[in-house]
Amino acid sequence: NAGVTQTPKFQVLKTGQSMTLQCAQDMNHNSMYWYRQDPGMGLRLIYYSASEGTTDKGEVPNGYNVSRLNKREFSLRLESAAPSQTSVYFCASSEARRRDSPLHFGNGTRLTVT
Amino acid sequence: KQEVTQIPAALSVPEGENLVLNCSFTDSAIYNLQWFRQDPGKGLTSLLLIQSSQREQTSGRLNASLDKSSGRSTLYIAASQPGDSATYLCAVDNYGQNFVFGPGTRLSVLP
Repeated sequence: NAGVTQTPKFQVLKTGQSMTLQCAQDMNHNSMYWYRQDPGMGLRLIYYSASEGTTDKGEVPNGYNVSRLNKREFSLRLESAAPSQTSVYFCASSEARRRDSPLHFGNGTRLTVT
Repeated sequence: KQEVTQIPAALSVPEGENLVLNCSFTDSAIYNLQWFRQDPGKGLTSLLLIQSSQREQTSGRLNASLDKSSGRSTLYIAASQPGDSATYLCAVDNYGQNFVFGPGTRLSVLP
């Protein structure tokens, strides 16, 4: 009963370092999303993948890249981390073509860039 | 561009009270609207989903309504309990392309 699994849970980076956040879902959903959550800003969409093989920019894509590795996995990469990328990152999935499909979230990755 | 707002930003009530949380959105062309709960340091948990053709959904002590024409949704919590303390967020699904979230209402239920 895993749902959406994110790794790592916590990460501290120095400015300029790179890292990849991993996300996997076991619900056979077509659509997957990456959000960041900042105090006072709410949840903002970074990238999404409507289906395997496709990715699209969201509201705040600059400084990030994504890969939809297969139907289960959607990774988020920071090529050169900046302090402005300090945030909590959430991965989510849904069966977006069904109107009754809720959005399922992972537990988040808390990232600090110093 | 879809914008979602929530009122109030924070709410503190004594245990047992009934309460209403409000969500407003600017573009009525939505697939559905969802209400989520977020506990500190945790991810979001889906509480209720209302499809665009529906007016309300109920789960236990929770009832959510949707008025697409006016761009409003309410989450009604009956007989509140301390365990209901959390941040409640609403989100609208813009035809499956993305979900736009409100900033949330932080609820504290005092014993």
